[in-house]
Amino acid sequence: SSELTQDPAVSVALGQTVRITCQGDSLRSYYASWYQQKPGQAPVLVIYGKNNRPSGIPDRFSGSSSGNTASLTITGAQAEDEADYYCNSRDSSGNHGVVFGGGTKLTVL
Amino acid sequence: EVQLVESGGGLVQPGRSLRLSCAASGFTFDDYAMHWVRQAPGKGLEWVSGISWNSGSIGYADSVKGRFTISRDNAKNSLYLQMNSLRAEDTALYYCAKSSVPSSSEPTFDYWGQGTLVTVSS
Repeated sequence: SSELTQDPAVSVALGQTVRITCQGDSLRSYYASWYQQKPGQAPVLVIYGKNNRPSGIPDRFSGSSSGNTASLTITGAQAEDEADYYCNSRDSSGNHGVVFGGGTKLTVL
Repeated sequence: EVQLVESGGGLVQPGRSLRLSCAASGFTFDDYAMHWVRQAPGKGLEWVSGISWNSGSIGYADSVKGRFTISRDNAKNSLYLQMNSLRAEDTALYYCAKSSVPSSSEPTFDYWGQGTLVTVSS
């Protein structure tokens, strides 16, 4: 199966912009989706497709993609954005599967 | 309101079996693919299995292939995961997740349940 690689931890000052990245061969062909998970809670979809936000997700969250890298950008990070963030994508190995990245712990300073 | 409620988790000995269920409501169940995703304690998310809207396409992670079986009953708005030959490394919180489309290979999961905990230990 294919793999997606994320930095384990990223920090950002309150109100600043942060980019969380996800790398993998499958991203050359497929878009990533992004999920936010806070402690003790189920994941929440924040970005999908080219750059789509589900209803209720603030517009400070945006997504982009280039080559084998997908990015989640938070413009003007808030304290409530501190969470784990996961990307996922289709598994390009042909097993009709899905693959997740290892997750990035975002700390808002 | 979309609701996904998992059940069936618990403590089980290695080598034994367990069947998880996910009761869905608030949407037209047979319009969408469904998935199981697990999270071991303190670890990241791992996709386990997915099933298309009509059960015509099914996929499994390599780590569970041949041991786990996903199924759905559209008449009962329910998703299932039959887990056989359980191992200690299967210990995790198992989430039921709704896809945003009918296809099981699309990775956008727009709703998640709260999970059911499976502990494999002697």
